[in-house]
Amino acid sequence: DIQMTQSPSSLSASVGDRVTITCQASQGIDIYLNWYQQKPGKAPKLLIYDASNLQAGVPSRFSGSGSGTDFTFAISSLQPEDIATYFCQQYDILPVTFGQGTRLEIK
Amino acid sequence: EVQLVESGGALVQPGGSVRLSCVASGFIFRTYEMDWVRQAPGKGLEWVAYIDSVESNTRYADSVKGRFTISRDNAKNSLFLQMNSLRAEDTALYFCAREWGGGKMNAWGQGVQVIVSS
Repeated sequence: DIQMTQSPSSLSASVGDRVTITCQASQGIDIYLNWYQQKPGKAPKLLIYDASNLQAGVPSRFSGSGSGTDFTFAISSLQPEDIATYFCQQYDILPVTFGQGTRLEIK
Repeated sequence: EVQLVESGGALVQPGGSVRLSCVASGFIFRTYEMDWVRQAPGKGLEWVAYIDSVESNTRYADSVKGRFTISRDNAKNSLFLQMNSLRAEDTALYFCAREWGGGKMNAWGQGVQVIVSS
């Protein structure tokens, strides 16, 4: 199975800060990488697909980049409603696998 | 509005069985591939099973292969997960998810709880 390693596992930042999360795949996955947001007690929500494409309706402060094994997710200006856990997910090779998650908190 | 509503969660003893259901609305269910994804308490996401739009192809995580069966009834806009020989490590919140363009899960249910304990 492809292992997805996210860092950091938790992050504390201030409103307005730029936040970045990285995700590294154990082998190359081209651009078959998605990012999800999960708020407490809620289902995950797709934010970014195919590494860099913004899902419809998702604010433009969210972005993604990368290909192969190294990927980055960013929030350009952190908002209070962005408090959540973020997961990367590869779907290049079954089984689909997720990163362990990054818990984002407001400082 | 796209909606996925799961049901069937239970507290069950080890070795027992549970059948989860997921009813879809707001989109043409028969045209989408579907997945089950689970989340153990305080843990991350684990993909469990996949089914294509016409039920001709199914895939499973190794951890559930031979014990779980995914199926669907397109006439009833419904997805199912039959879970047999349950173990404590199957305790989790189970989500059904709509798959778009291969592997992109762009709609999720609210989740249903399965607890395996004696």
